[in-house]
Amino acid sequence: QITVKESGPTLVKPTQTLTLTCAFSGFSLNTHGVGVGWIRQPPGKALQWLALIFWDDDKRYSPSLKSRLNITKDTSKNHVVLTMTNMDPVDTGTYYCAHRPGYSSGWAFDFWGQGALVTVSS
Amino acid sequence: DIQMTQSPSSLSASVGDRVTITCRASQSIISLLNWYLQKPGKAPKLLVYSASRLQSGVPSRFSGSGSGTDFTLTISSLQPEDFATYYCQQSYSTPYTFGPGTKLDIK
Repeated sequence: QITVKESGPTLVKPTQTLTLTCAFSGFSLNTHGVGVGWIRQPPGKALQWLALIFWDDDKRYSPSLKSRLNITKDTSKNHVVLTMTNMDPVDTGTYYCAHRPGYSSGWAFDFWGQGALVTVSS
Repeated sequence: DIQMTQSPSSLSASVGDRVTITCRASQSIISLLNWYLQKPGKAPKLLVYSASRLQSGVPSRFSGSGSGTDFTLTISSLQPEDFATYYCQQSYSTPYTFGPGTKLDIK
């Protein structure tokens, strides 16, 4: 059974760096085709795709946020970490991590964490 | 980036109604289109992937169709638990953009 769970600070100050961890179980990030992604959702707004890391360590980012994002994986710990620099109040929202299986599932996100609410405020 | 649009942005319907939501991509994404349902305060749930394939465990009243740039999600007979926000997402090329959502509420 696949599970993913986000963890990190609930409150960060403007200009600080946010570090979020996605702990997963039930799959290996060494398996061909598998990825873990991050998606966020400002309060009352739509989902926004942020970043994705693949089994082969290929990394993809939202172009509008690329300069501020870094995604890494630790397959020995079954963790994926997302950092976002220079946080601003507009970055407030719920941050989700999600499992992306291979092509057999159309590269959709099939398992999601419960989300981590992050507030950016001084 | 591939831009995704959805229509309508909101929709009121009754239990038992047949409902269709449309999603359009700014360029061809072949059939790499996914649909999610999200209830308030909850994570999105995958309903349909690859335009028409029902995710395991999803009721058969949900169906998806389309290819290229135009896609639809149909709910054949609305149930009380279906009132939520629906998002489409393309997984053809990164960034895997989402549509703006369609909020379905009770008439």
